[in-house]
Amino acid sequence: AQSVTQLGSHVSVSEGALVLLRCNYSSSVPPYLFWYVQYPNQGLQLLLKYTTGATLVKGINGFEAEFKKSETSFHLTKPSAHMSDAAEYFCVILGFKTIFGAGTRLFVKA
Amino acid sequence: EAGVAQSPRYKIIEKRQSVAFWCNPISGHATLYWYQQILGQGPKLLIQFQNNGVVDDSQLPKDRFSAERLKGVDSTLKIQPAKLEDSAVYLCASSLAPSGGSHNEQFFGPGTRLTVL
Repeated sequence: AQSVTQLGSHVSVSEGALVLLRCNYSSSVPPYLFWYVQYPNQGLQLLLKYTTGATLVKGINGFEAEFKKSETSFHLTKPSAHMSDAAEYFCVILGFKTIFGAGTRLFVKA
Repeated sequence: EAGVAQSPRYKIIEKRQSVAFWCNPISGHATLYWYQQILGQGPKLLIQFQNNGVVDDSQLPKDRFSAERLKGVDSTLKIQPAKLEDSAVYLCASSLAPSGGSHNEQFFGPGTRLTVL
Protein backbone atom coordinates (compact mmCIF):
# COMPACT_ATOMS: atom_id res chain seq x y z
CA ALA A 1 0.00 0.00 0.00
CA GLN A 2 1.09 3.56 -0.62
CA SER A 3 0.22 6.85 1.06
CA VAL A 4 1.35 10.44 1.43
CA THR A 5 1.01 12.72 4.42
CA GLN A 6 1.35 16.46 4.18
CA LEU A 7 2.25 18.10 7.47
CA GLY A 8 0.32 21.31 8.01
CA SER A 9 -2.86 22.19 6.19
CA HIS A 10 -1.88 25.88 6.22
CA VAL A 11 1.54 27.53 6.05
CA SER A 12 2.09 31.28 6.23
CA VAL A 13 5.35 33.00 5.30
CA SER A 14 6.46 36.54 4.65
CA GLU A 15 7.41 37.64 1.17
CA GLY A 16 11.11 36.87 0.66
CA ALA A 17 11.19 34.19 3.34
CA LEU A 18 11.96 30.50 2.87
CA VAL A 19 9.08 28.27 1.85
CA LEU A 20 9.07 24.74 3.27
CA LEU A 21 6.14 22.41 2.65
CA ARG A 22 6.46 18.97 4.18
CA CYS A 23 5.51 15.63 2.67
CA ASN A 24 6.15 12.15 3.99
CA TYR A 25 5.32 9.01 2.09
CA SER A 26 4.84 5.34 2.66
CA SER A 27 5.55 2.82 -0.07
CA SER A 28 6.57 -0.82 -0.32
CA VAL A 29 8.19 -0.18 -3.69
CA PRO A 30 10.39 2.64 -4.97
CA PRO A 31 7.97 5.54 -5.32
CA TYR A 32 7.36 8.11 -7.98
CA LEU A 33 6.63 11.41 -6.23
CA PHE A 34 5.18 14.63 -7.58
CA TRP A 35 4.27 18.08 -6.35
CA TYR A 36 1.29 19.78 -7.97
CA VAL A 37 0.08 23.34 -7.42
CA GLN A 38 -3.46 24.65 -7.64
CA TYR A 39 -3.81 28.40 -8.00
CA PRO A 40 -7.16 29.97 -7.12
CA ASN A 41 -9.74 29.23 -9.81
CA GLN A 42 -7.20 27.37 -11.93
CA GLY A 43 -6.48 23.74 -12.71
CA LEU A 44 -3.78 21.61 -11.13
CA GLN A 45 -0.32 22.15 -12.54
CA LEU A 46 2.81 20.01 -12.18
CA LEU A 47 5.62 21.69 -10.21
CA LEU A 48 8.18 18.91 -10.24
CA LYS A 49 8.62 15.16 -10.10
CA TYR A 50 10.98 12.52 -8.78
CA THR A 51 11.24 9.19 -10.53
CA THR A 52 14.78 7.82 -10.32
CA GLY A 53 18.28 9.25 -10.33
CA ALA A 54 19.16 12.60 -8.81
CA THR A 55 17.41 13.04 -5.47
CA LEU A 56 17.29 16.83 -5.67
CA VAL A 57 14.81 17.84 -8.33
CA LYS A 58 14.15 21.32 -9.60
CA GLY A 59 10.80 22.50 -10.81
CA ILE A 60 9.11 25.57 -12.17
CA ASN A 61 8.98 28.96 -10.47
CA GLY A 62 12.12 28.34 -8.39
CA PHE A 63 10.76 25.39 -6.42
CA GLU A 64 12.78 22.29 -5.65
CA ALA A 65 12.33 19.12 -3.64
CA GLU A 66 14.66 16.51 -2.22
CA PHE A 67 13.85 12.81 -2.08
CA LYS A 68 15.18 11.34 1.17
CA LYS A 69 14.64 7.61 1.31
CA SER A 70 15.98 7.28 4.85
CA GLU A 71 13.42 9.81 6.09
CA THR A 72 10.67 8.80 3.63
CA SER A 73 10.28 12.47 2.83
CA PHE A 74 9.88 14.66 -0.24
CA HIS A 75 9.71 18.21 1.12
CA LEU A 76 9.14 21.16 -1.20
CA THR A 77 11.23 24.31 -0.80
CA LYS A 78 11.74 27.71 -2.34
CA PRO A 79 14.43 30.09 -1.05
CA SER A 80 12.39 33.27 -1.35
CA ALA A 81 8.59 33.43 -1.35
CA HIS A 82 6.73 35.67 -3.75
CA MET A 83 3.16 36.87 -3.45
CA SER A 84 2.31 34.89 -6.57
CA ASP A 85 3.23 31.63 -4.79
CA ALA A 86 0.05 31.77 -2.74
CA ALA A 87 -1.80 28.61 -3.70
CA GLU A 88 -2.66 25.06 -2.62
CA TYR A 89 0.14 22.52 -2.96
CA PHE A 90 -0.35 18.77 -3.24
CA CYS A 91 2.16 15.99 -2.74
CA VAL A 92 1.31 13.00 -4.93
CA ILE A 93 2.55 9.43 -5.00
CA LEU A 94 2.23 7.30 -8.11
CA GLY A 95 2.19 3.58 -8.05
CA PHE A 96 -0.56 1.50 -9.54
CA LYS A 97 -2.87 4.24 -8.30
CA THR A 98 -2.51 7.99 -8.04
CA ILE A 99 -2.80 9.17 -4.44
CA PHE A 100 -2.93 12.84 -3.47
CA GLY A 101 -2.07 14.26 -0.09
CA ALA A 102 -4.64 16.44 1.65
CA GLY A 103 -2.92 19.59 0.49
CA THR A 104 -1.17 22.55 2.11
CA ARG A 105 -2.42 26.06 1.54
CA LEU A 106 0.42 28.57 1.34
CA PHE A 107 -0.22 32.16 2.39
CA VAL A 108 2.36 34.84 1.58
CA LYS A 109 2.32 38.05 3.64
CA ALA A 110 3.57 41.32 2.25
CA GLU B 1 -1.51 22.44 -27.70
CA ALA B 2 -5.07 22.46 -26.38
CA GLY B 3 -5.51 21.39 -22.77
CA VAL B 4 -8.04 19.10 -21.13
CA ALA B 5 -11.54 20.46 -21.66
CA GLN B 6 -14.40 19.95 -19.24
CA SER B 7 -18.02 21.02 -19.21
CA PRO B 8 -20.01 22.36 -17.60
CA ARG B 9 -17.85 24.44 -15.27
CA TYR B 10 -20.60 24.74 -12.66
CA LYS B 11 -23.73 22.75 -11.92
CA ILE B 12 -26.34 23.07 -9.21
CA ILE B 13 -28.90 20.31 -8.74
CA GLU B 14 -31.21 19.01 -6.06
CA LYS B 15 -30.62 15.71 -4.31
CA ARG B 16 -31.95 12.66 -6.12
CA GLN B 17 -31.52 14.37 -9.50
CA SER B 18 -29.05 13.10 -12.07
CA VAL B 19 -26.10 14.95 -13.60
CA ALA B 20 -23.46 14.30 -16.24
CA PHE B 21 -20.02 15.75 -16.78
CA TRP B 22 -18.03 15.70 -19.99
CA CYS B 23 -14.29 15.59 -20.54
CA ASN B 24 -12.19 15.86 -23.70
CA PRO B 25 -8.55 14.91 -23.03
CA ILE B 26 -5.46 16.18 -24.79
CA SER B 27 -5.21 14.71 -28.27
CA GLY B 28 -3.23 11.48 -28.32
CA HIS B 29 -3.42 10.85 -24.60
CA ALA B 30 -4.31 7.22 -24.00
CA THR B 31 -5.11 7.47 -20.30
CA LEU B 32 -7.98 9.43 -18.79
CA TYR B 33 -8.75 9.94 -15.10
CA TRP B 34 -11.73 11.23 -13.15
CA TYR B 35 -11.15 12.65 -9.67
CA GLN B 36 -13.46 13.93 -6.96
CA GLN B 37 -12.15 16.83 -4.88
CA ILE B 38 -14.23 17.62 -1.82
CA LEU B 39 -13.64 21.04 -0.29
CA GLY B 40 -10.54 21.01 1.92
CA GLN B 41 -9.29 17.65 0.66
CA GLY B 42 -6.97 16.38 -2.02
CA PRO B 43 -8.38 14.89 -5.21
CA LYS B 44 -9.49 11.27 -4.94
CA LEU B 45 -9.22 9.03 -7.99
CA LEU B 46 -12.62 7.70 -9.02
CA ILE B 47 -11.81 5.89 -12.24
CA GLN B 48 -8.95 5.47 -14.69
CA PHE B 49 -9.31 4.51 -18.35
CA GLN B 50 -6.65 3.17 -20.67
CA ASN B 51 -8.03 3.91 -24.13
CA ASN B 52 -11.64 2.74 -23.74
CA GLY B 53 -10.99 0.12 -21.06
CA VAL B 54 -11.26 0.58 -17.31
CA VAL B 55 -7.94 0.16 -15.45
CA ASP B 56 -9.11 1.07 -11.94
CA ASP B 57 -12.56 1.91 -10.62
CA SER B 58 -12.08 0.64 -7.08
CA GLN B 59 -13.11 3.97 -5.51
CA LEU B 60 -16.08 4.66 -7.75
CA PRO B 61 -19.42 4.36 -5.89
CA LYS B 62 -20.93 2.12 -8.50
CA ASP B 63 -24.43 2.21 -7.08
CA ARG B 64 -24.77 5.81 -8.24
CA PHE B 65 -21.74 6.75 -10.32
CA SER B 66 -20.97 5.56 -13.82
CA ALA B 67 -18.41 6.55 -16.43
CA GLU B 68 -17.70 5.66 -20.00
CA ARG B 69 -15.13 6.34 -22.67
CA LEU B 70 -16.69 4.64 -25.64
CA LYS B 71 -14.32 5.60 -28.45
CA GLY B 72 -11.20 5.97 -26.35
CA VAL B 73 -11.27 9.75 -26.58
CA ASP B 74 -13.75 11.84 -24.63
CA SER B 75 -15.50 10.62 -21.52
CA THR B 76 -18.67 11.15 -19.51
CA LEU B 77 -19.11 10.78 -15.76
CA LYS B 78 -22.68 10.44 -14.47
CA ILE B 79 -24.23 10.56 -11.03
CA GLN B 80 -27.72 9.16 -10.56
CA PRO B 81 -29.23 9.88 -8.09
CA ALA B 82 -27.12 12.60 -6.51
CA LYS B 83 -26.66 12.93 -2.76
CA LEU B 84 -25.68 15.96 -0.70
CA GLU B 85 -22.23 14.47 -0.07
CA ASP B 86 -21.54 14.43 -3.82
CA SER B 87 -20.98 18.19 -3.71
CA ALA B 88 -17.41 18.57 -4.91
CA VAL B 89 -15.22 19.56 -7.82
CA TYR B 90 -14.92 16.80 -10.41
CA LEU B 91 -11.58 16.87 -12.17
CA CYS B 92 -10.62 15.18 -15.38
CA ALA B 93 -6.99 14.51 -16.27
CA SER B 94 -5.15 12.79 -19.08
CA SER B 95 -1.68 11.40 -19.70
CA LEU B 96 0.18 9.88 -22.63
CA ALA B 97 0.42 6.48 -20.99
CA PRO B 98 -0.55 4.93 -17.65
CA SER B 99 0.95 6.67 -14.64
CA GLY B 100 1.14 3.48 -12.70
CA GLY B 101 4.61 2.08 -13.05
CA SER B 102 5.80 5.03 -15.11
CA HIS B 103 6.12 8.73 -14.59
CA ASN B 104 3.95 10.34 -17.19
CA GLU B 105 2.62 13.69 -16.13
CA GLN B 106 -1.11 14.03 -15.72
CA PHE B 107 -2.62 17.15 -17.24
CA PHE B 108 -5.71 18.43 -15.48
CA GLY B 109 -8.78 20.20 -16.74
CA PRO B 110 -10.36 23.16 -14.90
CA GLY B 111 -12.94 20.94 -13.20
CA THR B 112 -16.71 21.01 -12.75
CA ARG B 113 -17.99 22.37 -9.46
CA LEU B 114 -21.12 20.45 -8.42
CA THR B 115 -23.44 21.70 -5.71
CA VAL B 116 -26.18 19.35 -4.53
CA LEU B 117 -28.98 21.06 -2.59
